[in-house]
Amino acid sequence: EAGVTQFPSHSVIEKGQTVTLRCDPISGHDNLYWYRRVMGKEIKFLLHFVKESKQDESGMPNNRFLAERTGGTYSTLKVQPAELEDSGVYFCASSQGFAKSPLHFGNGTRLTVT
Amino acid sequence: GQQLNQSPQSMFIQEGEDVSMNCTSSSIFNTWLWYKQDPGEGPVLLIALYKAGELTSNGRLTAQFGITRKDSFLNISASIPSDVGIYFCAGPDSGNTPLVFGKGTRLSVIA
Repeated sequence: EAGVTQFPSHSVIEKGQTVTLRCDPISGHDNLYWYRRVMGKEIKFLLHFVKESKQDESGMPNNRFLAERTGGTYSTLKVQPAELEDSGVYFCASSQGFAKSPLHFGNGTRLTVT
Repeated sequence: GQQLNQSPQSMFIQEGEDVSMNCTSSSIFNTWLWYKQDPGEGPVLLIALYKAGELTSNGRLTAQFGITRKDSFLNISASIPSDVGIYFCAGPDSGNTPLVFGKGTRLSVIA
């Protein structure tokens, strides 16, 4: 079974540019989450999809961040325009629909905004 | 939202030593999870705890859910070099809400 895959693994962009991160969850997982870890800090929740619907987007920092999950399969997270404080590692995770189903994380995308 | 405090922030130990780290919260958690992140990879679930007082082992790892429901600890016995990584505690903020993570304990093992 393929795990959660994220692309790219690294991205270095300049302030003001746009970046789009992609996540392919484990096949059959309805739940898809985006998290972010700024260096030395905790892993913070950004948002949660159930299939194609946004279940909870309370963790999205501001309207420069846009997440989509077309057709309930893969998801993208776009940052436009990027700011310095957006730097960090963006993790995607997926889980099945039943209670207490564990989260499976991808390897993350390390975003550096210069 | 709730915050989880992990200690220590980092540890350097000799191979073969036992390790203990803990996690505390100002409010009650009904589930405690321990994850490990290897360099360049995403967090992987090590142990899940669902009941106050529960003690669960996974190989050389043992974790306990504190009786007060406000803390948990993780022990690693006879550490080996591949134990190196960042260990995170986590739990749902409340009910079915998304996971809240601690800042992690970075473990280094000296051979």
